[in-house]
This record gives sequence, C-alpha cells and structure tokens, in this order.
Amino acid sequence: AQKITQTQPGMFVQEKEAVTLDCTYDTSDQSYGLFWYKQPSSGEMIFLIYQGSYDEQNATEGRYSLNFQKARKSANLVISASQLGDSAMYFCAMREGLGNEKLTFGTGTRLTIIP
Amino acid sequence: DTGVSQDPRHKITKRGQNVTFRCDPISEHNRLYWYRQTLGQGPEFLTYFQNEAQLEKSRLLSDRFSAERPKGSFSTLEIQRTEQGDSAMYLCASSLRSTGRWAQYFGPGTRLLVL
Repeated sequence: AQKITQTQPGMFVQEKEAVTLDCTYDTSDQSYGLFWYKQPSSGEMIFLIYQGSYDEQNATEGRYSLNFQKARKSANLVISASQLGDSAMYFCAMREGLGNEKLTFGTGTRLTIIP
Repeated sequence: DTGVSQDPRHKITKRGQNVTFRCDPISEHNRLYWYRQTLGQGPEFLTYFQNEAQLEKSRLLSDRFSAERPKGSFSTLEIQRTEQGDSAMYLCASSLRSTGRWAQYFGPGTRLLVL
C-alpha cells in the first residue's frame, strides 16, 4: 500500500480563491509527522507546514493551514486567498516513528492559479 | 544566502562515466540527506548522515552509488558507471533535529541527464 496518497494530479484555481489539496497517509505508528512542501519549476523543495500526530490543533502558517483528520488518516493542505505565485507542485510527506529520519513523499499535485 | 546549496545544478554525461555532486548544508545543521526525484514522482530517500556518520542507506542506493560527509559539513554523492536510469534530480536536504516539527530543508537539486 502507498504510504502517502495524493489523488489530485492537477488542479486549476481562480486567483484569490481558497484551494484544498488532498493527502491521505498509511501508517501503524502512533508517532509520526506530516509535512507539506512546495516545488516551483526551479526545482527547490520549500517547506510549508508541519503537523505532528499528537498535535490536537490543526497547524497554521500564514495562508497555509493543515486540515488534520487523524481517524480518517488525512492531512489536507488549505491555501487561502490563492496568488499567482502559488502555482507549483505540492508534495505531502510523512516521517514515521521515533528516530526515523526518512521522509516518504506522495506523487504530488500540480496547482495552477488562473488570473 | 544561508540555505542548502548544491553543485552543479545541471550535469549531462555519457553512459558509463562517473559523476560527483556536492551538497553544502545549512551551517548549524548536523543531519544531511540525499533524495532522488524522477519525473512525475515525489523525492525518494537515498541516504542520510548525522555529522560524518552515514546512518541509513536505502536499497535504491546500489553499489554504484557512494556518499560521503568526511568532516561533518559538506557531502558528496558519487555515481560510478552511470546508466540512463540514473537520470533524475538529486536533492540534498539538511536538518538540525529529527523529531517533532524539525523540517528538512532542501537545496535546489542537481539535475542529471545520462545519454
């Protein structure tokens, strides 16, 4: 089974609208962390937001928030008031267990913001 | 610029040649990671170092691949006898911690094309 599933290969969103990027994960560990990264066409992976498995509140970072539904094993990224500069690939990733260094990534969602 | 840097940014080589990539992490980060990303996929973990010690290697890292971090600062990734299947983006990341909300911060990547 895939550890991280991103079911939306591509999305087109009007500028200034909010957008939700889906991510579901699969783990049997109780302790894990979920990350979202943005990858513009330049190639660099930019860290956006983190959610820990024991965090009771959804993470927020500026225009980014993470809709964490632990029972459903989903960690959707919400971008409010989208901007043209948000056009990029977005990857969900997970670090499982204590002491594990490896990030496992999904296949990504290509977001295009339309002016 | 105090981010992760990688050199070269692009490399074209002929099959059978050896190539070496360099990564300079964020200066205070003691953990360094290498990932490989092929077209349409998320990054896949290759290996990681804590200081100068290489603590984990993926099965993706065949015996043609070797990584070093001799003084616990910069790292090199060498691919011997390159094959066309080695064509990919090679991403380096660094981190200060592995637990909690300590993210891995990525460099711009080295894009390798094997002809």
